[in-house]
Amino acid sequence: EAQVTQNPRYLITVTGKKLTVTCSQNMNHEYMSWYRQDPGLGLRQIYYSMNVEVTDKGDVPEGYKVSRKEKRNFPLILESPSPNQTSLYFCASSNLGAYGYTFGSGTRLTVV
Amino acid sequence: AQSVAQPEDQVNVAEGNPLTVKCTYSVSGNPYLFWYVQYPNRGLQFLLKYITGDNLVKGSYGFEAEFNKSQTSFHLKKPSALVSDSALYFCAVGSNDYKLSFGAGTTVTVRA
Repeated sequence: EAQVTQNPRYLITVTGKKLTVTCSQNMNHEYMSWYRQDPGLGLRQIYYSMNVEVTDKGDVPEGYKVSRKEKRNFPLILESPSPNQTSLYFCASSNLGAYGYTFGSGTRLTVV
Repeated sequence: AQSVAQPEDQVNVAEGNPLTVKCTYSVSGNPYLFWYVQYPNRGLQFLLKYITGDNLVKGSYGFEAEFNKSQTSFHLKKPSALVSDSALYFCAVGSNDYKLSFGAGTTVTVRA
């Protein structure tokens, strides 16, 4: 089944403790992206990647890092999480040109 | 810069009545327009998209949307709403750089 897999689904952590949210897709998509969803703000793009070793900032990149060492994986790294990063996070991938975006199931992160 | 406006935070309709969720957009170049739905504690589900061609787009679960270039709108419609259509709806716009920008979302409540 074609899908984007995010782990974990739920995470509660403490301020300053480094964490990684993994994202993997099995569709050989070039494009991958991370979004955060907050009430009243919709989804805002954090980082995106057009292909392996090519990443760029989205609208709200502060406090986040990403890497794209393999085509299928696009982990989101929070080096020093803060409470304002408490949010629902979505990973997405797309086959460039087809304009079909597939979203993961989401990761609900709480930073206390 | 591209953006999406969903002017209504909430839409309330009775079951069996027509449902309309409004969306206007701003983008340089040709727009690629999408509607997604999110049920409680679930990820984003794709409903429909407009890339090119016929201005009336039919999607999943009986939903349709009409692309209006002069009014820069892409309103989502369903002729007869169901209680199960109650959810959070997002409009999104993309362009040639493949970035998706989302509206803030509209909560639809269909009462029995």
